[in-house]
Amino acid sequence: EADIYQTPRYLVIGTGKKITLECSQTMGHDKMYWYQQDPGMELHLIHYSYGVNSTEKGDLSSESTVSRIRTEHFPLTLESARPSHTSQYLCASSHSGAVNTGELFFGEGSRLTVL
Amino acid sequence: KNQVEQSPQSLIILEGKNCTLQCNYTVSPFSNLRWYKQDTGRGPVSLTIMTFSENTKSNGRYTATLDADTKQSSLHITASQLSDSASYICVVSDRGSTLGRLYFGRGTQLTVWP
Repeated sequence: EADIYQTPRYLVIGTGKKITLECSQTMGHDKMYWYQQDPGMELHLIHYSYGVNSTEKGDLSSESTVSRIRTEHFPLTLESARPSHTSQYLCASSHSGAVNTGELFFGEGSRLTVL
Repeated sequence: KNQVEQSPQSLIILEGKNCTLQCNYTVSPFSNLRWYKQDTGRGPVSLTIMTFSENTKSNGRYTATLDADTKQSSLHITASQLSDSASYICVVSDRGSTLGRLYFGRGTQLTVWP
């Protein structure tokens, strides 16, 4: 099993609250990603990082922000949550040597519900 | 436009039966294709990877095929088990840049009934 962990697994909050979704991996992977997944839809890349102090926005516009201060840690923050942010958020990582092989190791996901 | 299309969207089969899931893609230039299995409430897990030169690859009861000419892949599941109930996602990687880009299908939701 992959050693990548997400917390919380489930979160229900009110509109306007600030939330941080945590993601940590113990595999020493340089590359980390955040995907958003809605039922019946494909995964959409919202943020990625290729190393410490490197973060980029993905294909899907997101009001969230990320940081990469340590290799193993890639948290995602929403400053003011809205109902439109309700979704499943998946964190993933891959190692740099596997250029273009496409293997991602996913966490269990964080299901966010904003009321 | 690079795309990955999967069919069927959902499938129900009885335990012990075989099934085949389809993936058509238009991604170019092609690098590789992966099938992932995603159990409900879990993250996807890679089942197999197919590169341009590979036609067939097996992983236990799972057999993936690739036809690079027609840009089609299939995932065949033999002697299905209840634990096979999951979403199966086709992911295609391009080699248009050194970093590579991934294109995700919407998945096929497989339900295996006893």
